[in-house]
Amino acid sequence: ELKVEQNPLFLSMQEGKNYTIYCNYSTTSDRLYWYRQDPGKSLESLFVLLSNGAVKQEGRLMASLDTKARLSTLHITAAVHDLSATYFCAVDGSSNTGKLIFGQGTTLQVKP
Amino acid sequence: KAGVTQTPRYLIKTRGQQVTLSCSPISGHRSVSWYQQTPGQGLQFLFEYFSETQRNKGNFPGRFSGRQFSNSRSEMNVSTLELGDSALYLCASSLVGTGEYGYTFGSGTRLTVV
Repeated sequence: ELKVEQNPLFLSMQEGKNYTIYCNYSTTSDRLYWYRQDPGKSLESLFVLLSNGAVKQEGRLMASLDTKARLSTLHITAAVHDLSATYFCAVDGSSNTGKLIFGQGTTLQVKP
Repeated sequence: KAGVTQTPRYLIKTRGQQVTLSCSPISGHRSVSWYQQTPGQGLQFLFEYFSETQRNKGNFPGRFSGRQFSNSRSEMNVSTLELGDSALYLCASSLVGTGEYGYTFGSGTRLTVV
C-alpha cells in the first residue's frame, strides 16, 4: 500500500531563514500535490507536480518532484510569519480515481 | 467562479444517530472525493464519485456511505455514529478525477459526536 512520509513533522524557524520540507512516498507515482492548511481551515492548493523533474515556484515557496527517487521537496526561502501553517504533500493513490494519499503534515512556525 | 461548497459547516450529533453531509463541486467538475481528517489518523480517503458512480472506496466501515447526483452534488452519510467519528470531513472537487488540474477542497464540515 502506498505510504507518504513527510519530515520534519514540526519546524520552528526564524524569519528570514531558508528551509526544506521533504516528502517521500513508497510506490511509483508521477503526480504529487502540496497543500497548506491554516488552523481550523480547509486545504489550500499550493502546487500540482505532474512529471519527473517538475519544479514550480510561487513567492517564497518552491516545490520539486523526483519520481525516480520518489521524493518531493518544498523549499521555503526567507521565511515570513505569514507562512506559518501546516503543509501537506499528497500522492495519487490509484489510477485516475481521485484518491489522494496524504503525508502526516509539517507544522511550520515562523517566529518574528 | 464559485468554489466547493460544503454544508453544514458544523454539526453536533449524539452517539447512535446518523448524519448527512453535502458537497457541491465547482461548476463543470464531475468528480467528488471525500476525506476524514482527525488529529490521530490525519487525512484519510473515504470514497470518490464520478458521474454518479463510486469508483473508489477507502478502508472505512459500511456505516460510511455516499452518493452523487446527476448535477454532481454529492452527499455522504454516516449511520450509527460513534465518538470516533468526530472529525473534519472534507470534500474535493476535480474535473474528472484524474488529477491533472489538481483537486480543490471545500471548507469542510466539522462533526462532533457526543
